[in-house]
Amino acid sequence: EAQVTQNPRYLITVTGKKLTVTCSQNMNHEYMSWYRQDPGLGLRQIYYSMNVEVTDKGDVPEGYKVSRKEKRNFPLILESPSPNQTSLYFCASSLDRNSPLHFGNGTRLTVT
Amino acid sequence: AQTVTQSQPEMSVQEAETVTLSCTYDTSESDYYLFWYKQPPSRQMILVIRQEAYKQQNATENRFSVNFQKAAKSFSLKISDSQLGDAAMYFCAYRATYGAGSYQLTFGKGTKLSVIP
Repeated sequence: EAQVTQNPRYLITVTGKKLTVTCSQNMNHEYMSWYRQDPGLGLRQIYYSMNVEVTDKGDVPEGYKVSRKEKRNFPLILESPSPNQTSLYFCASSLDRNSPLHFGNGTRLTVT
Repeated sequence: AQTVTQSQPEMSVQEAETVTLSCTYDTSESDYYLFWYKQPPSRQMILVIRQEAYKQQNATENRFSVNFQKAAKSFSLKISDSQLGDAAMYFCAYRATYGAGSYQLTFGKGTKLSVIP
């Protein structure tokens, strides 16, 4: 089944403890991206990747890192999480920039 | 920068009735894509409908249709014969066809739709 898989679905952590949210797609998509969703703000893009080893910042990149070493994986790294990064995170992928996005099921992150 | 505005934070509709969700956007581009996404309580993001700006004809997917007014920069979603399963948060989104803006979706803040039995 074609899908974007994010893990974990739920994560509670403490301020400053490094964490990684994984994202993997099995559709051979070139384009992948990360969004965060906050109440009253909609979804905002954090980072995106056009292909392996090619990444760029979205609208809200501060406090996040990404890497794209393989085509299928695009992990989101929070080196030192803070409470303002408590949010719902989505990974998404598409064949190219003009194709519809396929979203993962989201990761609910709480930073205390 | 492009912006997408959904002016109705919440709406409700009686089952089997029709409801229209509003969306306006701001862009200087002439070619772009517009989308409506549905997010049910399961929090999945589900693509409902997609419109290409260069196409005059309004997109339709079963009970879902749009009213795309390019000059007015308006992109409303009409849901006909509303069903309980239509209850969800609906997001309008924009993406440019070329340039840096083509690498991201710009979302509105969402409209929460309730369906009354």
